[in-house]
Amino acid sequence: DIVTTQSPDSLTVSLGERATINCRSSQSLLYTSDNRNYLAWYQQKPGQPPKLLIYWASTRESGVPDRFSGSGSGTDFTLTITSLQAEDVAVYYCQQYYGIPITFAQGTRLEI
Amino acid sequence: EEQLVQSGGGLVEPGRSLRLSCVGSGFIFSDVWLTWVRQAPGKGLEWIGLIKSIANGATTHLAAPVKDRFSISRDDSKNLLSLQMDSLKPDDTAVYYCATGLKGSRLRNTLDSWGQGTLVTVSS
Repeated sequence: DIVTTQSPDSLTVSLGERATINCRSSQSLLYTSDNRNYLAWYQQKPGQPPKLLIYWASTRESGVPDRFSGSGSGTDFTLTITSLQAEDVAVYYCQQYYGIPITFAQGTRLEI
Repeated sequence: EEQLVQSGGGLVEPGRSLRLSCVGSGFIFSDVWLTWVRQAPGKGLEWIGLIKSIANGATTHLAAPVKDRFSISRDDSKNLLSLQMDSLKPDDTAVYYCATGLKGSRLRNTLDSWGQGTLVTVSS
């Protein structure tokens, strides 16, 4: 199974500042036949289901503010939130969909 | 609007069974792969399984912790996804979500549509 691990487990950032969350996988998520990284990022607020933010490691989901961006390739990925807003307080998860079983990392709690 | 609406859940004794349901609307249900994810209280997301479309053989895949106790089925005539949970344990206590990816074949497992979640509590 592919293991995904995030760091840090929790993060406190001031309003308007940048938040950076890292995700590492135990094997490459780059599928050579299409040159895409099979990694997604989700945001989950209390009492709500997760919301897809980014897929293909860097493609923003429709309606997601452009302060959210994803980067990385292979085994190392980053979710960056620039100019943090109060509504960004949530837990963020990366998920690999390269192989089954699909796996989520443990999550990063983002606080202001 | 694409929607997944869940039902079922509740309090059940250890060793007993429970069935969760999830009804989809606003999209071609028969085309999609359907996934179950759970979240224990205060914990992270855990993928527990999926069922492929009929066109892909309706094959199911289940995570190791549940593969001998849970099963997933679908009835495309009713836009219905089901999770049958047998021999429940206290560790199965969680909010269970159904979810799917609506962006096409290569993104079947990026979950852009989620049910509202349903709480299953396994306790005597």
